Amino acid sequence: NAGVTQTPKFQVLKTGQSMTLQCAQDMNHEYMSWYRQDPGMGLRLIHYSVGAGITDQGEVPNGYNVSRSTTEDFPLRLLSAAPSQTSVYFCASSYSRLAGTDTQYFGPGTRLTVL
Amino acid sequence: DQQVKQNSPSLSVQEGRISILNCDYTNSMFDYFLWYKKYPAEGPTFLISISSIKDKNEDGRFTVFLNKSAKHLSLHIVPSQPGDSAVYFCAAQGGSEKLVFGKGTKLTVNP
Repeated sequence: NAGVTQTPKFQVLKTGQSMTLQCAQDMNHEYMSWYRQDPGMGLRLIHYSVGAGITDQGEVPNGYNVSRSTTEDFPLRLLSAAPSQTSVYFCASSYSRLAGTDTQYFGPGTRLTVL
Repeated sequence: DQQVKQNSPSLSVQEGRISILNCDYTNSMFDYFLWYKKYPAEGPTFLISISSIKDKNEDGRFTVFLNKSAKHLSLHIVPSQPGDSAVYFCAAQGGSEKLVFGKGTKLTVNP
């Protein structure tokens, strides 16, 4: 099993550009989520999905879109990149979102810089 | 409002000694707590967890203690090893609520 994979590893964008961060998992997990990590801020939830076709907002959803057409894939779209979106983005998956039933498995991250 | 707080941004200990990382929470609905470990340029990895029905959980060199009345948990690493040097995140969850992370504590274990 590859676990959770993310592409690209690094990306530099100009303000106003759009792009999609890819995330895939091969563990047949229902629950997937996107986090961003900023210095001194820990991990903050952007969007999450409890299954194919179902998504919801997390703590910091503005400027990002998600969709979940398959169990395996959960792409994160930046509609119009801003310097405030410079961050490291982590995708995670777990069998369930319920506490105590599973832990989340994280991908290696995408380091995004917006100029 | 920060629901999970790790008040020490960094901690430095000598190899072989005990490392104690602390975490406080404010939401009394949290009933499951986890610690994640993160190396540079890698994603966080699960380390150890504890349910609110317990006050201690041990896994090898790692022990997590939970004090519900004080809304406080701690991670003990004994003995500490240089390979334990990483950022440690405390996280909490209640029922079907989303996982909430602290800001992390950077542990440095000196040889």
